[in-house]
Amino acid sequence: GDSVTQMEGPVTLSEEAFLTINCTYTATGYPSLFWYVQYPGEGLQLLLKATKADDKGSNKGFEATYRKETTSFHLEKGSVQVSDSAVYFCALSKGGFKTIFGAGTRLFVKA
Amino acid sequence: DTEVTQTPKHLVMGMTNKKSLKCEQHMGHRAMYWYKQKAKKPPELMFVYSYEKLSINESVPSRFSPECPNSSLLNLHLHALQPEDSALYLCASSQGTGNEKLFFGSGTQLSVL
Repeated sequence: GDSVTQMEGPVTLSEEAFLTINCTYTATGYPSLFWYVQYPGEGLQLLLKATKADDKGSNKGFEATYRKETTSFHLEKGSVQVSDSAVYFCALSKGGFKTIFGAGTRLFVKA
Repeated sequence: DTEVTQTPKHLVMGMTNKKSLKCEQHMGHRAMYWYKQKAKKPPELMFVYSYEKLSINESVPSRFSPECPNSSLLNLHLHALQPEDSALYLCASSQGTGNEKLFFGSGTQLSVL
């Protein structure tokens, strides 16, 4: 079946460091790919999305490129801030109402 | 208004109690969802309503009973829960065409004693 695999956390970085969170997927067809972020005590919110191969999603300095050849959608940010500390979920959707989430990666950013 | 509002934020209930969780959105979305999230885990889909009709029930125990009174409201009625049902319950909505982004509420943190 379809699945999403994320790198295990937690990831701990110093402020202004470069961030990469790896995400790979297994799916038939042409899924849409998403990154959601969950701050402490809150629900998930969409960070960025891409709907077809080679699309780049971007938001708030975060970027991810839909790579069909490597079935990947890695999240990157050039310079993290303390306020980026959260849990990041990679996800896919193939139509219908089911979204498949990865296990989540917790990010801690130290000042 | 791009918010999904959930009440209450916190709920403590005994195993014999009956309680309800409420969710509201005013974005004109036609799909509404209930998810359950345990600590340090991703959300797990429970129910989906599409155009006010139950579209998906992920084999959820009958002690959880969803209700969609209208296109803006979604309830989750709880009865005779077990301690293992303690979790964060998230409501979400989407436009209703499928394969689209989800808008989540902040959730209800439920503790069953």
